[in-house]
Amino acid sequence: EVQLVETGGGLVQPGRSLKLSCVASGFTFNNYWMSWTRQAPGKGLEWVASITNSGGSTYYPDSVKGRFTISRDNAQNTLYLQMNSLRSEDTATYYCTRGMDGWGQGVMVTVSS
Amino acid sequence: DIVMTQSPFSLAVSEGEMVTINCKSSQSLLSSGNQKNYLAWYQQKPGQSPKLLIYYASTRQSGVPDRFIGSGSGTDFTLTISDVQAEDLADYYCLQHYSYPLTFGSGTKLEIK
Repeated sequence: EVQLVETGGGLVQPGRSLKLSCVASGFTFNNYWMSWTRQAPGKGLEWVASITNSGGSTYYPDSVKGRFTISRDNAQNTLYLQMNSLRSEDTATYYCTRGMDGWGQGVMVTVSS
Repeated sequence: DIVMTQSPFSLAVSEGEMVTINCKSSQSLLSSGNQKNYLAWYQQKPGQSPKLLIYYASTRQSGVPDRFIGSGSGTDFTLTISDVQAEDLADYYCLQHYSYPLTFGSGTKLEIK
């Protein structure tokens, strides 16, 4: 069974940084592209970042490009999202996804002073 | 960027009825290489993470009831739920993964009368 467990969320001030982690189990982690997708309170889904299975390539929408960095440690079966220069509009539940088929339970990030 | 226009915003039906949800992409999602449409459908029940229902526009994910049917090709896609059950109360989203940035439809809220 695919399990994805996100940690690292919380309340952070605008302009500060936060790093999310996602520990994967139940599948061969290094065989899959991984992604982060977010959902602002009461809103729809927004893709945030993807990384190839080797970690050699990464992809971002313009809304986070240059501020967020996705990375992975295949030895530790862990996916990361480093979020810098956070803005109030980054407030959301962040989901770790295997490709786009398996989803974690999500972790809440609140950006507020 | 590919824009996904999803409709309706919401709908309310009685158990046993059929519903259709539409998604239109601003450009074709059909790959000439493998003749697959890079369109997926997700279900998000209240308080839960999204769940993949349909991929490649019409392939049902393992374990998804056969009352969920995906159809369409190119730029026009439909999710049909026949014989709606109370447990189908949820938000439904389409996703194009033909090209980056990945983009979701705005969502459809299904309510049960």
